[in-house]
Amino acid sequence: GAGVSQSPSNKVTEKGKDVELRCDPISGHTALYWYRQSLGQGLEFLIYFQGNSAPDKSGLPSDRFSAERTGGSVSTLTIQRTQQEDSAVYLCASSLDSGRTDTQYFGPGTRLTVL
Amino acid sequence: DAKTTQPNSMESNEEEPVHLPCNHSTISGTDYIHWYRQLPSQGPEYVIHGLTSNVNNRMASLAIAEDRKSSTLILHRATLRDAAVYYCILRDRHYGQNFVFGPGTRLSVLP
Repeated sequence: GAGVSQSPSNKVTEKGKDVELRCDPISGHTALYWYRQSLGQGLEFLIYFQGNSAPDKSGLPSDRFSAERTGGSVSTLTIQRTQQEDSAVYLCASSLDSGRTDTQYFGPGTRLTVL
Repeated sequence: DAKTTQPNSMESNEEEPVHLPCNHSTISGTDYIHWYRQLPSQGPEYVIHGLTSNVNNRMASLAIAEDRKSSTLILHRATLRDAAVYYCILRDRHYGQNFVFGPGTRLSVLP
């Protein structure tokens, strides 16, 4: 079946511009996660959605970052006034729920380059 | 949060077994041990998870120490496609917590 998809696969933008990254989770998955991975680094948690609950935004690095999840499905991560340090691969994952044993399925990521 | 430590890198020959260690000395009684791997230019993918008993699936085996302070991911016959970064992760006991990914172990497989 269809996995997690993300778009665009690559995004090049100029410093100061806003960008929107999209994630389509696996159908029926109630939990959705955003991570980012800088070059050669591990994954850094950004934000987590579970059903209709308030999202866990504890990983967002600054107020320039925001995310929403419409209708419990598609999610959009928005970065305002991008900076060069925002350059990274942004990964989205979804899971059936968010229990201790649940498996996260990751998308291929969006590579963001801020010039 | 309980942390894990893994070697930065390991090397294996093709078709030989690989044992990837992970230390988690501060693990709590209800933390599950998860392993994911990340192939080059891809998102991470699930490998295996366990709590106390050893686990086997089609991809790998997970051996968990009796005191649960360490575990070992076993690839029975490494292939070139197994070259990846392997992450050992403890799932926080609080419902809904995200995964905390450390730097992982970069596995190279030599032909």
